[in-house]
Amino acid sequence: KNQVEQSPQSLIILEGKNCTLQCNYTVSPFSNLRWYKQDTGRGPVSLTIMTFSENTKSNGRYTATLDADTKQSSLHITASQLSDSASYICVVSDRGSTLGRLYFGRGTQLTVWP
Amino acid sequence: EADIYQTPRYLVIGTGKKITLECSQTMGHDKMYWYQQDPGMELHLIHYSYGVNSTEKGDLSSESTVSRIRTEHFPLTLESARPSHTSQYLCASSGPQETQYFGPGTRLLVL
Repeated sequence: KNQVEQSPQSLIILEGKNCTLQCNYTVSPFSNLRWYKQDTGRGPVSLTIMTFSENTKSNGRYTATLDADTKQSSLHITASQLSDSASYICVVSDRGSTLGRLYFGRGTQLTVWP
Repeated sequence: EADIYQTPRYLVIGTGKKITLECSQTMGHDKMYWYQQDPGMELHLIHYSYGVNSTEKGDLSSESTVSRIRTEHFPLTLESARPSHTSQYLCASSGPQETQYFGPGTRLLVL
């Protein structure tokens, strides 16, 4: 069973609108949570990384939140642009091994229409 | 843009052929990884390396093999390709901060 669940699976919004993507996880012990953006035909690119003590982190129009108690994270995109169309992947790292194993969500496919 | 490269970007090949997917990075990272990703699905780790002459199998069973003779180079080889190997293969590397930088991927189609 995947320990990182993302919702919605896909989302269509109009250019200029805001949206929020959700990530719930059961990974334990928790180390950090990352949001990646993956354009079609490309590899994922890191947007934010959050550790246990961080509640909010911003990167331009992207703002990630983390509630480590409820094991939930969200990625809020403000004033969406056509270039935001991509898959957004939530990745959680555990502290259980030297490798710092990564657990990947299946991603939310965001499409921004003009 | 990360300095990690994969070739070829696309490959169509017949069943039974031997193939090698190339991955190289110029960031001096010790750790490198290979992932397999099917459309709409999560990434699955198939191989990783902590450094030169270090290779380990990942979570997803794979018939591929890897080698790490040089820090910057981490090729993946399939001795006999099958249609079930059709997928996207992503290479990544990470430095001391553990953030993984991904290459553009190789899309493999085995007929």
